[in-house]
Amino acid sequence: QKEVEQNSGPLSVPEGAIASLNCTYSDRGSQSFFWYRQYSGKSPELIMSIYSNGDKEDGRFTAQLNKASQYVSLLIRDSQPSDSATYLCAGGPAGTASKLTFGTGTRLQVTL
Amino acid sequence: DTGVSQDPRHKITKRGQNVTFRCDPISEHNRLYWYRQTLGQGPEFLTYFQNEAQLEKSRLLSDRFSAERPKGSFSTLEIQRTEQGDSAMYLCASSPLGNNQPQHFGDGTRLSIL
Repeated sequence: QKEVEQNSGPLSVPEGAIASLNCTYSDRGSQSFFWYRQYSGKSPELIMSIYSNGDKEDGRFTAQLNKASQYVSLLIRDSQPSDSATYLCAGGPAGTASKLTFGTGTRLQVTL
Repeated sequence: DTGVSQDPRHKITKRGQNVTFRCDPISEHNRLYWYRQTLGQGPEFLTYFQNEAQLEKSRLLSDRFSAERPKGSFSTLEIQRTEQGDSAMYLCASSPLGNNQPQHFGDGTRLSIL
């Protein structure tokens, strides 16, 4: 079992819709979670970080964390074609900065 | 803040050759990380420095791989006797000190082994 699991997709949503990206993790020691966006051939770009249970909003993005269910999600409102990319979920250990464990990523396609 | 810089962007070499990559982190970021990413996969952790100290190294990392950060600024990753399976994108990231600090990635070095 992979430590961080994501559906590889592609997830296809029409322009203007809400895209919902999901991630589960197996290591209960993971306490910090990050969403990265990666365009084809480019490096990962940080979008959101979340450390506490609940929701965290930043512009069109909302990250959700449920530690009891070991579940992290990212909602993208008013999806735009420029949001089409692979979204990587990553988890890190508590209290210190050390390695991130990444999922394989979910490819999002926003259609016109 | 000029971002994390990696050099070269692309490296093509023959199997058995040695290669060295360089990473310059965001200035004043004390922590520096190396990851490897292959097609269709997420980045895989290789090693991590805090200042000049190498604090963690992946158990999956072959003895052919070595990394240094001699003055706590830039870092180098060397791969000796390269193999076909070493073909990947090598990513460097940096973060400041402090708990749960996010890591910021450079553009990566794409290595192709002929």
